[in-house]
Amino acid sequence: DAKTTQPPSMDCAEGRAANLPCNHSTISGNEYVYWYRQIHSQGPQYIIHGLKNNETNEMASLIITEDRKSSTLILPHATLRDTAVYYCIATFRGSNYKLTFGKGTLLTVNP
Amino acid sequence: GAVVSQHPSRVICKSGTSVKIECRSLDFQATTMFWYRQFPKQSLMLMATSNEGSKATYEQGVEKDKFLINHASLTLSTLTVTSAHPEDSSFYICSAGLSTDTQYFGPGTRLTVL
Repeated sequence: DAKTTQPPSMDCAEGRAANLPCNHSTISGNEYVYWYRQIHSQGPQYIIHGLKNNETNEMASLIITEDRKSSTLILPHATLRDTAVYYCIATFRGSNYKLTFGKGTLLTVNP
Repeated sequence: GAVVSQHPSRVICKSGTSVKIECRSLDFQATTMFWYRQFPKQSLMLMATSNEGSKATYEQGVEKDKFLINHASLTLSTLTVTSAHPEDSSFYICSAGLSTDTQYFGPGTRLTVL
């Protein structure tokens, strides 16, 4: 799996958009970008994934640069419950592929 | 959909005893389940990959005789920590794959060994 780099922490005001960056400059052509988050003392929660096109679901949007060397996860209207560690993982698609978790970004949403 | 449960959520045991943790996919079948361990203030570390009907594949450094994994059905995998010691105290999390897209995680089991 390609290595990913994320800032260790970020802050966001409640109600504002949270933009979480991720660098994956060594990503291969058929590796996907997955995002998970982990709220304190809970199991990780799947958010979104994509290959090269931008993706959107009910939780977030994923913007992948044209060269695929970086991406941004966007939470459009952050709430206090979005405070969590967010993990960006580059891996091959498939439920049988193991996920390698880095240190992630601790997003703190402030009132 | 895509709900994964774990039981128990918390367990406290004495040193030297064995503890079994169950991981179930409640509304889907999973041929592959994964077991992770997370120490305080650290990230998740994959321990092993569990395939239904076959032996688990362990990551380097994980003792297979200490962490016994059984994946007897498409909805159940178990992790048994044998002869637990205080250093085995950790947060154990399982995940299960849904179709070909992604994995879903259980809520985790907090193990404390006294």
